[in-house]
Amino acid sequence: DVKVTQSSRYLVKRTGEKVFLECVQDMDHENMFWYRQDPGLGLRLIYFSYDVKMKEKGDIPEGYSVSREKKERFSLILESASTNQTSMYLCASSLGSGAASTDTQYFGPGTRLTVL
Amino acid sequence: GEDVEQSLFLSVREGDSSVINCTYTDSSSTYLYWYKQEPGAGLQLLTYIFSNMDMKQDQRLTVLLNKKDKHLSLRIADTQTGDSAIYFCAEIPLSGGYNKLIFGAGTRLAVHP
Repeated sequence: DVKVTQSSRYLVKRTGEKVFLECVQDMDHENMFWYRQDPGLGLRLIYFSYDVKMKEKGDIPEGYSVSREKKERFSLILESASTNQTSMYLCASSLGSGAASTDTQYFGPGTRLTVL
Repeated sequence: GEDVEQSLFLSVREGDSSVINCTYTDSSSTYLYWYKQEPGAGLQLLTYIFSNMDMKQDQRLTVLLNKKDKHLSLRIADTQTGDSAIYFCAEIPLSGGYNKLIFGAGTRLAVHP
């Protein structure tokens, strides 16, 4: 079974803090993704990566950056957290055979981030 | 444009069938997905259907695809309280150029006795 884990289930941070969200997958997947989920908006893609050190912006990258130094780990960074970044953050991975792969995405349990 | 639409709420009685509907806009999508999210949890892949299929059945789940109308539905037979969750429809449009899932806003299914 594919396992995608996220470092924290709940986080509370203050405005202006630098926040790191970590995601690890154990199935040697090429592709990894970060989404945020807000009520009534579904999931929106922040960033994705199709290889180590490779990243592409999603639909809402502003205020976020990412890092993929190792294949199994994809980090989402909030350089200076703001209250409008309070949300549920979901990581996903897929097997991937290239940037246009349509492989199934498997999700982690999510991190609920509150910025005060 | 890319858009996936779902109704936001569905309430059913335990034991009845539930039907969750979804419309999508990109006819190039090759796979269409249903994900389930239980309270406080991440998304769990329920099932998916390839675009050259009309129907897929998996135990209590039946997926119907009408490609002409770009309409996807998920039917849950004999709905149980454990089926209470948010159900997301998603597509991967090939026109996106990369593995980009487009999600609907989710349908919250409430099962009552």
